[in-house]
Amino acid sequence: QMQLQESGPGLVKPSETLSLTCTVSGGSISGNYWSWIRKPPGKGLECIGYIYYTGTTNSNPSLKSRVTISVDTSKNQLSLKLTSVIAADTAVYYCARYLNGRYMDVWGKGTTVTVSS
Amino acid sequence: EIVLTQSPATLSLSPGERATLSCRASESVSSYLAWYQQKPGQSPSLLIYDAFKRATGIPARFSGSGSGTDFTLTISSLEPEDFAVYYCQQRSSWPPTFGGGTKVEIK
Repeated sequence: QMQLQESGPGLVKPSETLSLTCTVSGGSISGNYWSWIRKPPGKGLECIGYIYYTGTTNSNPSLKSRVTISVDTSKNQLSLKLTSVIAADTAVYYCARYLNGRYMDVWGKGTTVTVSS
Repeated sequence: EIVLTQSPATLSLSPGERATLSCRASESVSSYLAWYQQKPGQSPSLLIYDAFKRATGIPARFSGSGSGTDFTLTISSLEPEDFAVYYCQQRSSWPPTFGGGTKVEIK
């Protein structure tokens, strides 16, 4: 059974870069699309972007200039970098398999990131 | 981007009752709509995709309907484990967007 686990710092200072890693176990990162989604407190879910295992990516236009998503097939990991963070980037961050680039069918448990000095 | 509006925000029902949740899109998404369930402290899980197709392992009491701009998730008879927040999501255009959620709570 495929499992995803997000990891990274829980606290990031304003203007710095948020960096998260998602490790995939019980399955291969190859052949799939993968996504990052976040849920700010009191708000709904927001898709940050996706990456295909070959490295093709796309990001939400609202975040595009600040987002980098990468994949390391040798480690079965994907990564998210979000630059110049502000308080509004405080959220629970999830990685998920983006099945055929359509829907998110396997989710990580999520990791809470707080942006604060 | 396409805006999804879910109603009601909160639905107070008793176990065994029927739940009807609505999701309305700001423009047509054809049948490219999914529903997710999120329980407290857990990540969302896929229930329904392409408007009416149940994801693997989802009980038959969950059903989806609709097309275009109006969609419905129906839970025919609420079980205790069904009390949760439900989100709709469209994949018709980039970026995929989610509704604000409907909380189904115990009355």
